[in-house]
Amino acid sequence: DVKVTQSSRYLVKRTGEKVFLECVQDMDHENMFWYRQDPGLGLRLIYFSYDVKMKEKGDIPEGYSVSREKKERFSLILESASTNQTSMYLCASSSPGHFNYGYTFGSGTRLTVV
Amino acid sequence: QQQVKQSPQSLIVQKGGISIINCAYENTAFDYFPWYQQFPGKGPALLIAIRPDVSEKKEGRFTISFNKSAKQFSLHIMDSQPGDSATYFCAASIFNAGGTSYGKLTFGQGTILTVHP
Repeated sequence: DVKVTQSSRYLVKRTGEKVFLECVQDMDHENMFWYRQDPGLGLRLIYFSYDVKMKEKGDIPEGYSVSREKKERFSLILESASTNQTSMYLCASSSPGHFNYGYTFGSGTRLTVV
Repeated sequence: QQQVKQSPQSLIVQKGGISIINCAYENTAFDYFPWYQQFPGKGPALLIAIRPDVSEKKEGRFTISFNKSAKQFSLHIMDSQPGDSATYFCAASIFNAGGTSYGKLTFGQGTILTVHP
């Protein structure tokens, strides 16, 4: 069974901390994505990567950075966590051109910043 | 800037009824329109998708209707069941674009569907 695994289901961090969210996929997908999910706002794209060491900003990159040193791993970094970054974070992967397969999402990390 | 607008935000339907969720988009370059289904505690999963060369696609009880001129598409769930209770997201992307789009999806705001037994 193909999988996208997010390292933590729940995280509680303090304001100003540096936070790492890890995501690993086992499908050899080229593309990986980080979204945040907030009620009434849907899923908003933070960053995505289409190859190792490549990254592109999404719609809401402010306050975040990413790292992709290996094809299977895509990390989201909150440089200095703030309370407005309290959210559900979803990682996804996909392979270009696979129209019928879409994205495979992880189960999410619910981050609370206090 | 919300390029895909979804309504309603929540929907309550009786078992056996029809659930209808609507989406409207702004970017005429979009050429791929999927719907995702999310159960509590899980990530979204692809439910059904359509390209603009057809006006309707049906898979079992789920149907996408697409109106290119109105820039709207909708999800119809026939004979709705309690097991269909979930959050539904429409999305859109430029599937065939070269350059750097890489099929990245723009999602709607989501609809929480509750089907009462």
